[in-house]
Amino acid sequence: DSGVTQTPKHLITATGQRVTLRCSPRSGDLSVYWYQQSLDQGLQFLIQYYNGEERAKGNILERFSAQQFPDLHSELNLSSLELGDSALYFCASSVGGRVGFGYNEQFFGPGTRLTVL
Amino acid sequence: DQQVKQNSPSLSVQEGRISILNCDYTNSMFDYFLWYKKYPAEGPTFLISISSIKDKNEDGRFTVFLNKSAKHLSLHIVPSQPGDSAVYFCAASGSSASKIIFGSGTRLSIRP
Repeated sequence: DSGVTQTPKHLITATGQRVTLRCSPRSGDLSVYWYQQSLDQGLQFLIQYYNGEERAKGNILERFSAQQFPDLHSELNLSSLELGDSALYFCASSVGGRVGFGYNEQFFGPGTRLTVL
Repeated sequence: DQQVKQNSPSLSVQEGRISILNCDYTNSMFDYFLWYKKYPAEGPTFLISISSIKDKNEDGRFTVFLNKSAKHLSLHIVPSQPGDSAVYFCAASGSSASKIIFGSGTRLSIRP
């Protein structure tokens, strides 16, 4: 158990709909990262928040948005869903905002499996 | 444009032997490299990392080797055990960056 929680575990919805994925980081971690893993693909970095502010952006679609709340939990909002958005969405957290030097390793949650029909 | 490449989607190794997983990268700005392990229905778990100032880092049965001139790193697992069967992701980052670029993963199967 990494200490990172994600809800829901599974989500099935229809094209055109909007969903919200939730992540609670490990206690004490200030950074939250969101990743997408499509079938047979690696993990694609979407976005990072550090202590409530956006820190880095990856290949995140305009239909997707995220935020980190004062209690440090984060939500990833996916709208106008398409079939191709079906994927595993992982949240990770780390103490600091930068990679490296041991103490900033990212700890991953179990993921939310999104299926768009 | 894949900046981190794992060209072997799968690898099968006999229990007790050495498992060698390979990874190539293209971005010369990367100076920190990580390996993550992932079991089905779980999130990736950090395994081992290496900074570009080193060429080897060892942690128990796991050793990561970095060849900067070839932009290549490898993960050695000795001896391989059944519990090592998982998908292994290679990842890289620049020291001033916060995001990690992951490879597509290699599925390692340890056979008895």
